[in-house]
Amino acid sequence: AQSVSQHNHHVILSEAASLELGCNYSYGGTVNLFWYVQYPGQHLQLLLKYFSGDPLVKGIKGFEAEFIKSKFSFNLRKPSVQWSDTAEYFCAVNAIPGGYNKLIFGAGTRLAVHP
Amino acid sequence: GAVVSQHPSRVICKSGTSVKIECRSLDFQATTMFWYRQFPKKSLMLMATSNEGSKATYEQGVEKDKFLINHASLTLSTLTVTSAHPEDSSFYICSGSLLSGGPETQYFGPGTRLLVL
Repeated sequence: AQSVSQHNHHVILSEAASLELGCNYSYGGTVNLFWYVQYPGQHLQLLLKYFSGDPLVKGIKGFEAEFIKSKFSFNLRKPSVQWSDTAEYFCAVNAIPGGYNKLIFGAGTRLAVHP
Repeated sequence: GAVVSQHPSRVICKSGTSVKIECRSLDFQATTMFWYRQFPKKSLMLMATSNEGSKATYEQGVEKDKFLINHASLTLSTLTVTSAHPEDSSFYICSGSLLSGGPETQYFGPGTRLLVL
């Protein structure tokens, strides 16, 4: 069965620190990869996605992620976080074996950025 | 971007009653809609996938007779929690999938918080 693991459940950073959130998935076939963000009290929003092509993808708000196929990883990065980045971040995988496509989510990483 | 709404945003009901939650895609036709359940401090767990005009496909462990899903049109799907019990209290989120000829991206609704007393 496909699964997604996020290594850090809770991350605390100071403003301007660099961020890297780990995400690994288990599926040997073709995948689409996503990072979603959920700000406090708000709904899930797409940060970025990888479908194909350049494995380094850039998303909104200065976030980027790198797909490393050999490591089954899709880590999220931001060079300098801001207080407004405080949120929960979910990595998700969409396996493409044919048929309907569904997202498998990781457990999420709660990021707290202190001023 | 594509917008998905849910109604109600919050509902409190007595144990044993049924609750219906609506999910609407406001500015696109969602050929597929997904229903998730989010437990406190945990990730989203997919409950079921519904395609317009056909029966929903439920994930393992999800009782189809308890969580009735109807996807009557390309813009509306409903989730009915039948004979709700306190353990059904949770945050229910739907998403609509836009089939654009390529890999799909889901657009999420704001969620419905259900509290069963």
